[in-house]
Amino acid sequence: EKVMTQSPATLSVSPGERATLSCRASQSVSSYLAWYQQKPGQAPRLLIYGASTRATGIPARFSGSGSGTEFTLTISSLQSEDFAVYYCQQYNNWPPTFGQGTKVEIK
Amino acid sequence: EVQLLESGGGLVQPGGSLRLSCAASGFTLSNYAMSWVRQAPGKGLEWVSAVSGSGGNTYYADSVKGRFTISRDNSKNTLYLRMNSLRAEDTAVYYCAKCIGPEGICYFQHWGQGTLVTVSS
Repeated sequence: EKVMTQSPATLSVSPGERATLSCRASQSVSSYLAWYQQKPGQAPRLLIYGASTRATGIPARFSGSGSGTEFTLTISSLQSEDFAVYYCQQYNNWPPTFGQGTKVEIK
Repeated sequence: EVQLLESGGGLVQPGGSLRLSCAASGFTLSNYAMSWVRQAPGKGLEWVSAVSGSGGNTYYADSVKGRFTISRDNSKNTLYLRMNSLRAEDTAVYYCAKCIGPEGICYFQHWGQGTLVTVSS
């Protein structure tokens, strides 16, 4: 099973600032990496797939990069609605596995 | 518009059983693999099980293998999860999630709103 490790656990950012979230895989997952956003009481929402492709309707301030074992989700200018928990997920090998999440909170 | 609506959650005693359902609309269910993903209170996401579009292939997390059974009825546009021998650690919100194609491992394009399963005496 491929273990996904996200850092930091919590990121404190001021509105308008850039946020950089990291996700590391225990073994290469190529570019089979997705990012999700989850707000309290809501289901996760797909943001990025294929490591860098934005899902339908996702604003351009969200961008993903990386391949192999190191991945980054960048939110270029945080808006109030972006404060949430973010998860990465690999879909290179069974079973699909998620990182433990990064909470982006208001500084 | 794709919609996934889970039901069947509730309070069950340890060792008990429950069947979750996920009613799908807005797309042809047989064209897509489907999964169940759970989230324990205050915790992260854990993939539980998946089934191919035809229903011919099923996959399970080690934590539920032998206790949970995933199935689907494409004629009723419904996905199921039969959960037996439930344990306290199975307590979670269970989401059904739509894959991007009929087969294989995938990311999850659409999610239901979830149904809460609580295992407690």
